[in-house]
Amino acid sequence: EVQLVQSGAEVKKPGESLKISCKGSGYSFTNNWMAWVRQMPGKGLEWMGIIYPGDSDTRYSPSFQGQVTISADKSINTAYLQWSSLKASDTAMYYCARSPRGYGEFDYWGQGTLVTVSS
Amino acid sequence: QSALTQPRSVSGSPGQSVTISCTGTSSDVGGYNYVSWYQQHPGKVPKLMIDDVSRRPSGVPDRFSGSKSGNTASLTISGLQAEDEADYYCCSYAGSNTFVVFGGGTKLTVL
Repeated sequence: EVQLVQSGAEVKKPGESLKISCKGSGYSFTNNWMAWVRQMPGKGLEWMGIIYPGDSDTRYSPSFQGQVTISADKSINTAYLQWSSLKASDTAMYYCARSPRGYGEFDYWGQGTLVTVSS
Repeated sequence: QSALTQPRSVSGSPGQSVTISCTGTSSDVGGYNYVSWYQQHPGKVPKLMIDDVSRRPSGVPDRFSGSKSGNTASLTISGLQAEDEADYYCCSYAGSNTFVVFGGGTKLTVL
């Protein structure tokens, strides 16, 4: 059974750093793309970026380039999304989602990680 | 402003059909046959309903169908049921630079 299990909710202050995770199981982690999707409170889905764990090929949405870093550790089947300096506007639910071919077909999703940034 | 344009809301009565449109450009929807649709109930994780414009993943009812004409993709839900009330998002591949774009989402209300 394919599962994506994300790390738990986070409460941070502006300017702090953060790294959230997404562990895949039940499939070949290295041979599937993994994306990160943001959903701000009451808003729609926004594609942030995607990584191919097999060779660490990483692409970013222009809206998120330079704002976040996506990485993966294929030895532990885990993808990451990190911020070096959080802003209040980063408050959102963040989902990881598997894409077997990298064409936007996200067939399995993590349960989401709620990140709250507040002073 | 989202890259793909969807109506903010649509509605229909049980048993009726509704169609949700998703308009992009020749660089995304019109350029590739890689349009997908996602259903999201309040507080829940998005679910893939259609990929490759018109392919239904296993387990998705055949009441859901997808199509594309030019730069506009469409999701049609026939025989509306109360449980179909949700937000729907389209998504398209947009080439190796932009990669993926989402629509702004459409709220479906079953009257």
